[in-house]
Amino acid sequence: ILNVEQSPQSLHVQEGDSTNFTCSFPSSNFYALHWYRWETAKSPEALFVMTLNGDEKKKGRISATLNTKEGYSYLYIKGSQPEDSATYLCAFIKTSYDKVIFGPGTSLSVIP
Amino acid sequence: DVKVTQSSRYLVKRTGEKVFLECVQDMDHENMFWYRQDPGLGLRLIYFSYDVKMKEKGDIPEGYSVSREKKERFSLILESASTNQTSMYLCASQQASYEQYFGPGTRLTVT
Repeated sequence: ILNVEQSPQSLHVQEGDSTNFTCSFPSSNFYALHWYRWETAKSPEALFVMTLNGDEKKKGRISATLNTKEGYSYLYIKGSQPEDSATYLCAFIKTSYDKVIFGPGTSLSVIP
Repeated sequence: DVKVTQSSRYLVKRTGEKVFLECVQDMDHENMFWYRQDPGLGLRLIYFSYDVKMKEKGDIPEGYSVSREKKERFSLILESASTNQTSMYLCASQQASYEQYFGPGTRLTVT
């Protein structure tokens, strides 16, 4: 059974703080890793699709890095804002024929 | 923009009823998925489909079946609804291994 883990489970930060969370996945085979943002009462929306070791992606204040050899990805948020409050999910794909495996998510609350 | 629609936002059914949840995507995506989301349990995969008339069991298929007669439509069927199937159901579509696009969700209550 493939296990995708995320840490921490939840996080509370002050507005303006920078923060980061981790997604861990099996490093033996790798095809792709996705990051999603899931706001309350909405559907998950994709942030990044990462496929190559060493990939770095950025969208505004949010960025992500990928290390496929050691099996982890980091998501960084610079200068957190209340609208960043959401659950952040990572999703691992082992091969092009495998289903997506979601991690349990990191719940971020940004306090004004 | 990709659009994934689900037939109902809210649904209330009685125990033992047969329930159909419909999902339609408009971007000719090959892959479609059904998940349920429960507090503290994240997204759990029920069934998925990589092509018309193809289906694969996910992690929690018991009590569910699916149908994919057309590429754009993926239906989730609860043959005999039970109270433990009260949940939020999310449909998603995907092209190859690119990002998934999710529908708005159906909150099903079984009484």
